[in-house]
Amino acid sequence: GAVVSQHPSRVICKSGTSVKIECRSLDFQATTMFWYRQFPKQSLMLMATSNEGSKATYEQGVEKDKFLINHASLTLSTLTVTSAHPEDSSFYICSARVPLAGHYNEQFFGPGTRLTVL
Amino acid sequence: QKEVEQNSGPLSVPEGAIASLNCTYSDRGSQSFFWYRQYSGKSPELIMFIYSNGDKEDGRFTAQLNKASQYVSLLIRDSQPSDSATYLCASSAGGSYIPTFGRGTSLIVHP
Repeated sequence: GAVVSQHPSRVICKSGTSVKIECRSLDFQATTMFWYRQFPKQSLMLMATSNEGSKATYEQGVEKDKFLINHASLTLSTLTVTSAHPEDSSFYICSARVPLAGHYNEQFFGPGTRLTVL
Repeated sequence: QKEVEQNSGPLSVPEGAIASLNCTYSDRGSQSFFWYRQYSGKSPELIMFIYSNGDKEDGRFTAQLNKASQYVSLLIRDSQPSDSATYLCASSAGGSYIPTFGRGTSLIVHP
């Protein structure tokens, strides 16, 4: 199946700093990638849809100025958490859409990035 | 509001038994249904998808879909301790590729 990588896998930072997370599709081109956040024992919450060459589409309640998304190429999307605070500590997961047979689609997830803000 | 409901569990079954995981969805426009397995600290991995009413079998896994009842289930036969994980149910509407996820059901398979 399709492979999606994320870097870094784990990051610990001080409050007020910015953190950049990279998401790469390794063996396919992804015009659309998705960024999710997952708090402990909670489900995946879609934060935004990242579209190559255009602005990301953010879900309601997600601050676009705090969570900067850039999808500069067909294989790379980045999420930057600006001025991170402890409440931003979470598991951030990206995914890429891969067309299945017919008009259905499957999402392949990256391994996730565990962010801890002290 | 589109919702996917799952019992958070944990569901505990003995090794070798059948584990039955259930999911209901609110959006009648949903056409695609997915079951993901998520180990602690890891990202989800797709194990089954189903689009048509009825059963779909893949190895030890069987997905069941009943659109009239808006109900999806996952059966795991001959459960193994390695099946212990959280199982996420997801649905997406026709033409949409953004699934709505449930909160997941924690499954514990004990030896």
